[in-house]
Amino acid sequence: NAGVTQTPKFQVLKTGQSMTLQCAQDMNHEYMSWYRQDPGMGLRLIHYSVGAGITDQGEVPNGYNVSRSTTEDFPLRLLSAAPSQTSVYFCASSYEQGTEAFFGQGTRLTVV
Amino acid sequence: AQSVTQLDSQVPVFEEAPVELRCNYSSSVSVYLFWYVQYPNQGLQLLLKYLSGSTLVKGINGFEAEFNKSQTSFHLRKPSVHISDTAEYFCAVSLHSGGGADGLTFGKGTHLIIQP
Repeated sequence: NAGVTQTPKFQVLKTGQSMTLQCAQDMNHEYMSWYRQDPGMGLRLIHYSVGAGITDQGEVPNGYNVSRSTTEDFPLRLLSAAPSQTSVYFCASSYEQGTEAFFGQGTRLTVV
Repeated sequence: AQSVTQLDSQVPVFEEAPVELRCNYSSSVSVYLFWYVQYPNQGLQLLLKYLSGSTLVKGINGFEAEFNKSQTSFHLRKPSVHISDTAEYFCAVSLHSGGGADGLTFGKGTHLIIQP
């Protein structure tokens, strides 16, 4: 049981490039979300999904897109990378409301 | 909207001493409360949670927390820390409409430093 798997673990992008951060879970969880972690800021919610085909914005959605075509996968797309998007990104999933959120190991993204 | 305040960004403690990490929240509605731990270069792991019932909740690794509704607090405690407890600790809340991945609000974290 792999839990929540994020790829890649590290990525360097040039300003203006686009890329997709992958997130997959094998626990059949309905709820998935993306957070970014910046020093001294804690984790901030970017986007979340309550099931396949349903997504919504979190606290800091600008510059990011998501889609949820399957229960297992919840990719995060950076449309045109900016240095302000340098951060560590975490994907999380949970079975239902009020239950434990399981986090991936994170993707460390640097935009130069 | 809800918010979480972790009053200390860094807490140094000697090994085998007790520790308390403070967390206060604000919300106009009932919330679920969580403490997560993050070890260096890893993801977050749930320590404990309060959903309802007894206000004293016990978690993994000997940690416990007490929910105080009147003071809107959820402080984390451990009676005797070990060097392996060195990590970043995050308090988080969610509205009663969700406690999973569809909307946690995190505090900024407290770095627990265990000194030998």
